[in-house]
Parts: sequence; C-alpha cells; structure tokens
Amino acid sequence: SQQGEEDPQALSIQEGENATMNCSYKTSINNLQWYRQNSGRGLVHLILIRSNEREKHSGRLRVTLDTSKKSSSLLITASRAADTASYFCATSQGAQKLVFGQGTRLTINP
Amino acid sequence: DAMVIQNPRYQVTQFGKPVTLSCSQTLNHNVMYWYQQKSSQAPKLLFHYYDKDFNNEADTPDNFQSRRPNTSFCFLDIRSPGLGDAAMYLCATSRDFSRGSYEQYFGPGTRLTVT
Repeated sequence: SQQGEEDPQALSIQEGENATMNCSYKTSINNLQWYRQNSGRGLVHLILIRSNEREKHSGRLRVTLDTSKKSSSLLITASRAADTASYFCATSQGAQKLVFGQGTRLTINP
Repeated sequence: DAMVIQNPRYQVTQFGKPVTLSCSQTLNHNVMYWYQQKSSQAPKLLFHYYDKDFNNEADTPDNFQSRRPNTSFCFLDIRSPGLGDAAMYLCATSRDFSRGSYEQYFGPGTRLTVT
C-alpha cells in the first residue's frame, strides 16, 4: 500500500504566489524526497531531506520535515508558469526502493 | 549527458498480444526499477533489479515479467495485455541506497495503449 498521502490533491494559484503542499507518512523513514512530474513525462528529483534534518532549501524550494508528526511540506516561492506540474513525496524506509505519495497537481495561472 | 532512455515513447498493442518495453541507462547505476502509473495516480512499483537480482513486488501480476541482460538495459514484458494494463510505464535507476544516495533517475516513460 502507498505510504504517503498528500494534500491538497490539487492546487491552483496565481503566478508569483507561494505554493505549499503537504505529505504525511505512516512509518519511520530514513529520508524523504520530493519529485516533480510534468504532464506525460518522467519524474524529476527536486530535493531530499534526511530524517535528522528539519528544514532544507534549494533555490525557490523549501522543505520541512516533522518526524514526530510524520509529515513534510514543500513550499515553492514566487511561483512561475513553468512550475505547473504534479509533485510527489517519496519515502525510503531502508529497503532499496521508494514509496510515493498520491501527489499534488499544481497549476500556476498567468 | 548521462540519462535514462525509454523506447518507444508510445506503444499501442492489441488485447492479449505480448508487448515489450525497453529501458537503457548511461548512468552505470546498479539498480533499475519499473513503475506503472495510471492517470492522476502515484507511480506503483512493479519490480526492481539490484544488479542481476530480481525483486518482485508482492502485488505485481504474473502477467508482468522483466529481463535485465546487462547493466545498461532492462525490459518489461507484458505477456497478455488487458485493457487494465493501459498506463504510463516508467523506468528508473539509482545507486545502491547503502552508499547514502537515494535519488532515483527516471526515464520519460512509455505510454501503453491497449486496443
């Protein structure tokens, strides 16, 4: 069964606004990753946060991790039309595989 | 550029007619994965190869098979495609997680249509 649940399932905002999406998971993890998927394409790795980290930044991306609540959030600041995509969290629990959340479909309106 | 390549990008097959999807990588990663993704859903892991060791997911139907003849290539065989197998099939690679690298690198996917 899928480990992660994401909310919202869909998010539509105006260009320039910030977008926040959340991911919850059920079991202990080694790390949590976020991936982006443009329509009809493969997934692209965005950022990884380890279980002993609380926050991480990469360009306009900010990821937080709260292991006590088993949740993570991805913030995209100053959104652009090119950020329109689906965003998935994925967790690693020690086995050589990832478990993906259901994803958030983000639409940036010009 | 190092990458993961999937061919073909679009594949149409008939109900019950065997089909093979291919994946190649130039990253020299020892792990290769096959995912099935249906519309608006998360990628679902079918199986993965750790070097030559095949690891099947418990809920992967027997209709799905895989071959990895060498480090660079991996194939997904669907023996008797049903209408429910229409999906995007994603290939991905990674290094050994025990080396501290957990990122997966995805190909562009093959969109399978079953008629």
